[in-house]
Amino acid sequence: GEDVEQSLFLSVREGDSSVINCTYTDSSSTYLYWYKQEPGAGLQLLTYIFSNMDMKQDQRLTVLLNKKDKHLSLRIADTQTGDSAIYFCAESNRGGNEKLTFGTGTRLTIIP
Amino acid sequence: DVKVTQSSRYLVKRTGEKVFLECVQDMDHENMFWYRQDPGLGLRLIYFSYDVKMKEKGDIPEGYSVSREKKERFSLILESASTNQTSMYLCASIRRVSDTQYFGPGTRLTVL
Repeated sequence: GEDVEQSLFLSVREGDSSVINCTYTDSSSTYLYWYKQEPGAGLQLLTYIFSNMDMKQDQRLTVLLNKKDKHLSLRIADTQTGDSAIYFCAESNRGGNEKLTFGTGTRLTIIP
Repeated sequence: DVKVTQSSRYLVKRTGEKVFLECVQDMDHENMFWYRQDPGLGLRLIYFSYDVKMKEKGDIPEGYSVSREKKERFSLILESASTNQTSMYLCASIRRVSDTQYFGPGTRLTVL
């Protein structure tokens, strides 16, 4: 079946850029997503990218997709303490039921 | 404003009890999902439903069942709770042609 892999932890100094990486195995993935989960909360969609794109930028967020290597990354510029959260990568192949496969999540810690 | 609500934020049950987790969405979405979230494992799909009275098994359905009698409500049932079902349970919904999956705040279930 589909598999989505992420590193479990990332620590970044406040003001630096954070880069969270994700790899996936399903070559028929059509949408790839980044979700953010703050402590005690549900998941909030941050951004998504369609598989025929290789980059998407939205304010401080940049998503890069390398479809050949099945590698997705999320870059957060000028990382702030409010960016501390768990970030989940997810993919769907739009098979008709909108089923998502999630990665393990990366816990981002901001160092003052 | 989009809304997915879950009946409880925290729940404590005893081994062998029957447990009902309720999820309600007010967006007229066809598809609804139940996930469990465990540290280091990310989100794993338990069951999903793509229409009223329709259900499909996800990746880890064992020990669970679901009910979708009305479009807005999707219930997860633990027939006989066990300690290994202690987890965070997240409900989500999506419109068939939408590209956003909306999550509820989660129910943290502890089985003693």
